[in-house]
Amino acid sequence: QKEVEQDPGPLSVPEGAIVSLNCTYSNSAFQYFMWYRQYSRKGPELLMYTYSSGNKEDGRFTAQVDKSSKYISLFIRDSQPSDSATYLCAMSPYNNAGNMLTFGGGTRLMVKP
Amino acid sequence: DSGVTQTPKHLITATGQRVTLRCSPRSGDLSVYWYQQSLDQGLQFLIQYYNGEERAKGNILERFSAQQFPDLHSELNLSSLELGDSALYFCASSLDSDTQYFGPGTRLTVL
Repeated sequence: QKEVEQDPGPLSVPEGAIVSLNCTYSNSAFQYFMWYRQYSRKGPELLMYTYSSGNKEDGRFTAQVDKSSKYISLFIRDSQPSDSATYLCAMSPYNNAGNMLTFGGGTRLMVKP
Repeated sequence: DSGVTQTPKHLITATGQRVTLRCSPRSGDLSVYWYQQSLDQGLQFLIQYYNGEERAKGNILERFSAQQFPDLHSELNLSSLELGDSALYFCASSLDSDTQYFGPGTRLTVL
């Protein structure tokens, strides 16, 4: 079993829909949680970053962390065709020796006009 | 544009060969990370350097090695290449220890 699980999709939604992307994890040492967006054949782009349970909002994006359930979510409001990409969750333990990221496998999102 | 640069963009080589991938971090960033992204394994951490010294090691094969130079650029050396080494190789950099910014990647094809 992988440390971070993510439904690969694809998830297809109409333009304007609210999108919910999720990850579950098994390692309780993870303290920092990130969401990256990756367009085809491009490098991952950091969208959201949080290290506490609860919600964090940035424009159309809301990241939610529930450490007790080991479950994180990314919500995208008013989705646009330009949001079509693969979304990767990533996690890192608090570790002075370095912060290697453990990624989920990614969810492919398609927003249809 | 993240500010992280990687060269070359594409690399095609044969089994048994050796290649070197290069990464220049964002200005001011001291940490460089290398990741491998393949279809079956996803994005996996390989190794981290901080200001010239190895800081953390992940699932990096013994055939692979890396270093970070005094000007903070980094190189990932892959030797005795196998078909299964075909993947996207990403470099990321960070100033603090949590927020990593990724480069555009090098696509390696081993024939």
